[in-house]
Amino acid sequence: DVKVTQSSRYLVKRTGEKVFLECVQDMDHENMFWYRQDPGLGLRLIYFSYDVKMKEKGDIPEGYSVSREKKERFSLILESASTNQTSMYLCASSFNGENEQFFGPGTRLTVL
Amino acid sequence: RKEVEQDPGPFNVPEGATVAFNCTYSNSASQSFFWYRQDCRKEPKLLMSVYSSGNEDGRFTAQLNRASQYISLLIRDSKLSDSATYLCVVIAVLNDYKLSFGAGTTVTVRA
Repeated sequence: DVKVTQSSRYLVKRTGEKVFLECVQDMDHENMFWYRQDPGLGLRLIYFSYDVKMKEKGDIPEGYSVSREKKERFSLILESASTNQTSMYLCASSFNGENEQFFGPGTRLTVL
Repeated sequence: RKEVEQDPGPFNVPEGATVAFNCTYSNSASQSFFWYRQDCRKEPKLLMSVYSSGNEDGRFTAQLNRASQYISLLIRDSKLSDSATYLCVVIAVLNDYKLSFGAGTTVTVRA
């Protein structure tokens, strides 16, 4: 079974803090993705990566950066958290960009 | 215009009923299509891929209409356990990689 894990289920941070969200997959997948999910807006792609050290912007990259130093790990970084970044963050991985994506359980981030 | 649009519902149906809903997409270069299911407070999970010829998996049938640019999902003989939000995913890879999720259609099956 593919397993995608995220470092925290719930996180509360203050405005201006630097936030790291970690995602690890154990299936040797090439592609990894970060989304945020908000009511009425669905899942929106923030960044994705198709290989180690490679990254591509998704639809809403502003205010975020990512890091992929190892194939199994994809980190999302909020350099200076803002209240409008309060959301559910979901990480996913897939064998390639056109295949099924496997999601982690999500991190609910609240920025106060 | 959104890349992918879904009727948010909710579709409230009795057990045993048939329910169907669509997902329209704007990018004519889209070539991969999926339906995911998301239960409340859970992550999305793949329900089924959508093939050009249409495909069926038990009580679920997915269709693709390229001319009108939509995919559909039909659930026959609804069960209480089918209550969930159904998300469509559309992927284009020809020029630039573009992946878009719909906002989801909520289905509630009542006893």
